[in-house]
Amino acid sequence: AQTVTQSQPEMSVQEAETVTLSCTYDTSESNYYLFWYKQPPSRQMILVIRQEAYKQQNATENRFSVNFQKAAKSFSLKISDSQLGDTAMYFCALALQGGSEKLVFGKGTKLTVNP
Amino acid sequence: NAGVMQNPRHLVRRRGQEARLRCSPMKGHSHVYWYRQLPEEGLKFMVYLQKENIIDESGMPKERFSAEFPKEGPSILRIQQVVRGDSAAYFCASSLDSRNYGYTFGSGTRLTVV
Repeated sequence: AQTVTQSQPEMSVQEAETVTLSCTYDTSESNYYLFWYKQPPSRQMILVIRQEAYKQQNATENRFSVNFQKAAKSFSLKISDSQLGDTAMYFCALALQGGSEKLVFGKGTKLTVNP
Repeated sequence: NAGVMQNPRHLVRRRGQEARLRCSPMKGHSHVYWYRQLPEEGLKFMVYLQKENIIDESGMPKERFSAEFPKEGPSILRIQQVVRGDSAAYFCASSLDSRNYGYTFGSGTRLTVV
């Protein structure tokens, strides 16, 4: 069975600074995808970034980047130049390739960006 | 493109009543997933459907819960004889196919059982 662990229930950061959210996972499979989703108070689940496990290069989307350490089964999210609109719950998730493609989520990290 | 549409956004049911949650996937998407989010928790997978077929229901409770995705119309998640423990946010996601992992989520239905 796959598990995803987010060890930081809450974090805060000052506007314009950088913050890193941690995620570790466990799977015996070698082919999978990893995701970070953002859930603002509106409850909408928004895809932030996606990483294919077979790619060594870390994914980047504008101010969001990941540090993917496959051997350590670690997938942290770095948010640069934090903005007030980044305030949200952030969920790390894993999906096995070739299965039913269902997502396994962590419990989330509540991020607050302070002015 | 209206995205994934879920309705109602909020649903209140008394214990013992039935709840029907609807999900219209993005245009062209034939794969639908239902997830449940309990308070202070991440989303938990319930069921994966393609048109007229249940592909994976390993996350569905054995009793009272059912899901369908007919040839025409939205996907329906049905909860019979609701109990207070069913109170949660229920999310639907759709994807174009099973290989691109391009899920799009709806805004969810918050079910409250009183």
